This record gives sequence, C-alpha cells and structure tokens, in this order.
Amino acid sequence: DAKTTQPTSMDCAEGRAANLPCNHSTISGNEYVYWYRQIHSQGPQYIIHGLKNNETNEMASLIITEDRKSSTLILPHATLRDTAVYYCIVRDFGNEKLTFGTGTRLTIIP
Amino acid sequence: NAGVMQNPRHLVRRRGQEARLRCSPMKGHSHVYWYRQLPEEGLKFMVYLQKENIIDESGMPKERFSAEFPKEGPSILRIQQVVRGDSAAYFCASSPTTGNEQYFGPGTRLTVT
Repeated sequence: DAKTTQPTSMDCAEGRAANLPCNHSTISGNEYVYWYRQIHSQGPQYIIHGLKNNETNEMASLIITEDRKSSTLILPHATLRDTAVYYCIVRDFGNEKLTFGTGTRLTIIP
Repeated sequence: NAGVMQNPRHLVRRRGQEARLRCSPMKGHSHVYWYRQLPEEGLKFMVYLQKENIIDESGMPKERFSAEFPKEGPSILRIQQVVRGDSAAYFCASSPTTGNEQYFGPGTRLTVT
C-alpha cells in the first residue's frame, strides 16, 4: 500500500510555480522521497528524489520538512507540457520496487 | 543514449492466446522492472530481474505470468492463455544498479478480445 497522501487534483496558471504537496507521516529514517510524473498514457518519468535535504535539478525542486513527514515538489515556471499525474513515492533504499499511489492530477491552465 | 525500449507498443490477442512483451533496458543498465497499469488505475509492481535472475516477483500473478531476462537479449514478460482482465498497459523500467532511479519505457498496451 502507498505510504503517501496527495491531493487528487490541482490547477496552476501557466508561467507560475506549481507546488505539489505530499504527506508521508510514517516515513522511516532510511526511506527516500521520490517524485515521478506520467504525462497522459506515457511511461512514468523520474523527476527528483531526496532523503533529508532539499534538492534541486533542472526539472524541479524538492522541499522536505525537517521532521520528514511531508514534502513539496516545486515546478518553478509551469508550462502546458507539465500537465500530468504526479506521484510522490516513499522508497526504502534496499527495496527496489516503486509503490505508486493515485497521485495528483496537475492541470496547467493557459 | 537510447532510452528503455519496449515492443510491441500495441498488442491485440484473443482469449486463450499467448502474449510476449519485450523490454530492452538502457545501455549499461542490468536491472529491469515490470509494472502493470490497469485502465483508470495506478501502476502496480510485478517483478524485478537482474541478468538471468529473478530477484523479486512478489507482484506477479501466481499463474500464467512469467518473466525472464537472459544473458543476451531483451527481458520478456510472457502471459499465457490471456483473459480479458489482462488488458492493460505494461511498463518496463531499468536502472544501472540497486538504489538508483528507474527509467521507464513507453509501455505495451495489451488488448484481449
């Protein structure tokens, strides 16, 4: 079962920052937070992951709270191509399988 | 560097036939994962393989489904005697080592008529 809770859907205006929250209150010390997205019916696309510290790459930023019970994925300047279902996944370093929940359906509004 | 490749992209089978889905991982990746996405549902893990070994098949249905990743060639997910409930999108992912992010292919959409 998924260990994360995400809003079912969100809208964001094009050009604005999209902030997607995720609760993972039962996360344990050796579990990472991963984010993937699935555009329409394509294969999921890796976005970013982190353990404790905030992370940033060319696609997004990941902010993890100090108690690690929640995180936020930030797409700094959303475009129409960012419309997708975004999955927040908690993954044990030794566990290779990804457990996908229902995710957040993000719609970017022109 | 080519991404994960899957073929065929679309496969139609009649009930009772066999379906073979192929996955070629990214160059340098020796770990392969299969996931299934039923219509209007999330992705579910099926099996994790390394070259010539099945590491975790906890998500595989007990009957009719099998997977392999031979020393040479692509990984194969095989479904025998398909039923309508097998209609789904099957995604393959690969990673270079354990603990790394997984990169997904475009999927094979299986339709059982």
